[in-house]
Amino acid sequence: AQKVTQAQTEISVVEKEDVTLDCVYETRDTTYYLFWYKQPPSGELVFLIRRNSFDEQNEISGRYSWNFQKSTSSFNFTITASQVVDSAVYFCALIAGGFKTIFGAGTRLFVKA
Amino acid sequence: GAVVSQHPSWVICKSGTSVKIECRSLDFQATTMFWYRQFPKQSLMLMATSNEGSKATYEQGVEKDKFLINHASLTLSTLTVTSAHPEDSSFYICSAPFLLNTGELFFGEGSRLTVL
Repeated sequence: AQKVTQAQTEISVVEKEDVTLDCVYETRDTTYYLFWYKQPPSGELVFLIRRNSFDEQNEISGRYSWNFQKSTSSFNFTITASQVVDSAVYFCALIAGGFKTIFGAGTRLFVKA
Repeated sequence: GAVVSQHPSWVICKSGTSVKIECRSLDFQATTMFWYRQFPKQSLMLMATSNEGSKATYEQGVEKDKFLINHASLTLSTLTVTSAHPEDSSFYICSAPFLLNTGELFFGEGSRLTVL
């Protein structure tokens, strides 16, 4: 069975703080893909990153960084120097053994000015 | 670039009416598309897999007769909510894989349905 767990339901930070969103996944497949999406109040899913199971390199994109660790089945997302515009719901997702996307429950991030 | 477009973005209807939501792949063909439903403050839950030229595959607990899916062409899948009721009010999102086996997936903008 495939599963994605985002244990943090809501996180509230003050602007300029760093924040890490946790994601733990489960799959028996050796080939899989992990994603992070941002969902602002408008509802549209904004793609942030895709990582395949054979690429454990961490990635940095501006203020965003991702830490993929197969040993702990985790794919955590860090926002450095958070801004009010980062306030949104963030979803971690998994595709394995097909093309269905399994989403985590989401983490609602509030960044206060 | 590859894009998935949904229409309408939002719709309000009376209880008992049927509503059709379209999902189109632009600039690429999609033999498979996926329909998700998202209730307020909840995650996206897969409803069904739409297959071009064949019947859709529904997830457990999703009523086939309630949510009719038609994948009539390689670029269009439609979801019809039949005899809609207030509990069907939700955000519906479709997605389509751009290239199989690469995990490259595109989501539509979503359609917000409100049933009065």
